[in-house]
Amino acid sequence: NAGVTQTPKFQVLKTGQSMTLQCAQDMNHEYMSWYRQDPGMGLRLIHYSVGAGITDQGEVPNGYNVSRSTTEDFPLRLLSAAPSQTSVYFCASTQSGGDTQYFGPGTRLTVL
Amino acid sequence: DQQVKQNSPSLSVQEGRISILNCDYTNSMFDYFLWYKKYPAEGPTFLISISSIKDKNEDGRFTVFLNKSAKHLSLHIVPSQPGDSAVYFCAALFTGSARQLTFGSGTQLTVLP
Repeated sequence: NAGVTQTPKFQVLKTGQSMTLQCAQDMNHEYMSWYRQDPGMGLRLIHYSVGAGITDQGEVPNGYNVSRSTTEDFPLRLLSAAPSQTSVYFCASTQSGGDTQYFGPGTRLTVL
Repeated sequence: DQQVKQNSPSLSVQEGRISILNCDYTNSMFDYFLWYKKYPAEGPTFLISISSIKDKNEDGRFTVFLNKSAKHLSLHIVPSQPGDSAVYFCAALFTGSARQLTFGSGTQLTVLP
């Protein structure tokens, strides 16, 4: 099992550009989440999904969009990148009924 | 308003000694607590957890203590090893919710050889 994979590892965008951060898991986990990590603030939940076709907002959803068409994939879209979205983004998954989240290696995003 | 707080941004201990990392929470709905360890350029990895029905959970060198009345938990690492040097995040969730974790800001542990 590859676990949770994220692409790309690094990305530089200009203000106003859009892009999609990819996340995939091969553990057949129902729950998937996106977090951002900023210095001194820990990880904050952006969006999450409890299963294919079902998504909901977390603590900091503004400027981001998600969809979940399959169990395996949970992409995060930045609609119009802003410098405030410079961060490290982590995707995580959890099996149904479980409490332990398994994290991907992260995507470091810089918005100029 | 931070619901999970780790008030010590950093901690240094000597190899072989005990490391104690602390975490406080404010939301009494939280009923499950986890510790994650994070190395640079990697995602957080699960370390140990505790349910609110327990006050202690052990796994090898790692022990987590929970004091519900004080809304406080701590992670003890005994003995500390240089490979334990990492950022440690405390996290909490309400198991009745959609498994949404609330994280503390992390503590950088440095174990000195």
